[in-house]
Amino acid sequence: EVQLLESGGGLVQPGGSLRLSCAASGFTFSSYAMSWVRQAPGKGLEWVSTIRGSGGSAYYADSVKGRFTISRDNSKNTLYLQMNSLRAEDTAVYYCPKVYGSGNDPFDYWGQGTLVTVSS
Amino acid sequence: QSALTQPASVSGSPGQSITISCTGTSSDVGAYNYVSWYQQHPGKVPKLMISDVSNQPSGVSNRFSGSKSGNTASLTISGLQAEDEADYYCSSYTTSSTVVFGGGTKLTV
Repeated sequence: EVQLLESGGGLVQPGGSLRLSCAASGFTFSSYAMSWVRQAPGKGLEWVSTIRGSGGSAYYADSVKGRFTISRDNSKNTLYLQMNSLRAEDTAVYYCPKVYGSGNDPFDYWGQGTLVTVSS
Repeated sequence: QSALTQPASVSGSPGQSITISCTGTSSDVGAYNYVSWYQQHPGKVPKLMISDVSNQPSGVSNRFSGSKSGNTASLTISGLQAEDEADYYCSSYTTSSTVVFGGGTKLTV
């Protein structure tokens, strides 16, 4: 059974940093691209970033480019999102869905998400 | 990376069919057959319903179908059931190797 467990969310001040983690199990982690997708309270889904299975290529939304860094440790079956220079508009539930197939989407399995709140 | 355009809401009666549109550009929806649809019930995580414009993942009811014409994709739900009431999101791969979602459509049954 595929399981994805996000952690690391919390309250952070504007300009601060936070690192999210996503522990994966139930599939061959290194064989699949992984993504971060966020959802602001009461709002829609927003794709944030995707990293290939090997970790060699990463892609970002313009809204986070230069501030967020996606990475993975295939030996630990864990995905990360380093978030710097956080803004109020980054407040959201962050999900780490698994990518189905060989591209950057679609997303076939989702974790329960972790809430990030950026506020002073 | 502008969001894809979906109607804010649609409604239908049990047993009826409804269609949700998803309009993009030649850089996303119109560029590839990589449009997906997700269902999200309140307080729940999104569920993949359609991939690659019209493919149903295993376990998804065949009442859900997808299509595309030009820069507009569509999700059709036939034989509406109360359990179909949810938010629906389309997404598309883009020519910039990014992914863009639609703003979401609230379906009321």
